[in-house]
Amino acid sequence: DAKTTQPNSMESNEEEPVHLPCNHSTISGTDYIHWYRQLPSQGPEYVIHGLTSNVNNRMASLAIAEDRKSSTLILHRATLRDAAVYYCILRDSRNRDDKIIFGKGTRLHILP
Amino acid sequence: ETGVTQTPRHLVMGMTNKKSLKCEQHLGHNAMYWYKQSAKKPLELMFVYNFKEQTENNSVPSRFSPECPNSSHLFLHLHTLQPEDSALYLCASSQDHSTGNSNQPQHFGDGTRLSIL
Repeated sequence: DAKTTQPNSMESNEEEPVHLPCNHSTISGTDYIHWYRQLPSQGPEYVIHGLTSNVNNRMASLAIAEDRKSSTLILHRATLRDAAVYYCILRDSRNRDDKIIFGKGTRLHILP
Repeated sequence: ETGVTQTPRHLVMGMTNKKSLKCEQHLGHNAMYWYKQSAKKPLELMFVYNFKEQTENNSVPSRFSPECPNSSHLFLHLHTLQPEDSALYLCASSQDHSTGNSNQPQHFGDGTRLSIL
């Protein structure tokens, strides 16, 4: 799987939008972009994924650059509960397994 | 809330003990996984089971022995562990591999925090 690069940490104020960046300059045409997050003392949880078009769900939005070499996870209105480590992951749709290779992620701090 | 339950949540054991970690999922999934999360390191995939068959062993030492008696249960048997094995052990499940669809989300339990004395 191609590699992703994320900032080690970010801060945001409560009730404001948060934009979490991810660079994946070596992405291939069959790589999907996935985001997971891990809250303190919990296992990771799936957030969202996409291929080319922007995606929205109840948790977040995913904005994908036109050249697909970067993407941004958008939390529209951060709460204290959104403080977590956010992982940006590429998964090749040609793979016949469901392995996920986690990187170090971005630790998001929410300021009250 | 999680459809994947891991027990115990915490475990302290000596290096000569034998213990087992248990994972149970009620999501109707057919693939299950063990991950290890050490302090300040990314999650590491250990084992993958698909329809009760082990499909991946990521060079894990033999002191870790997985068992998957059915698609809903996964165990990790531990014996003669080392201090560096202290970590958070996470179980996950997903639908299955048969469709070749690698975009199925994985659902994680909250892990077992293991401390080796």
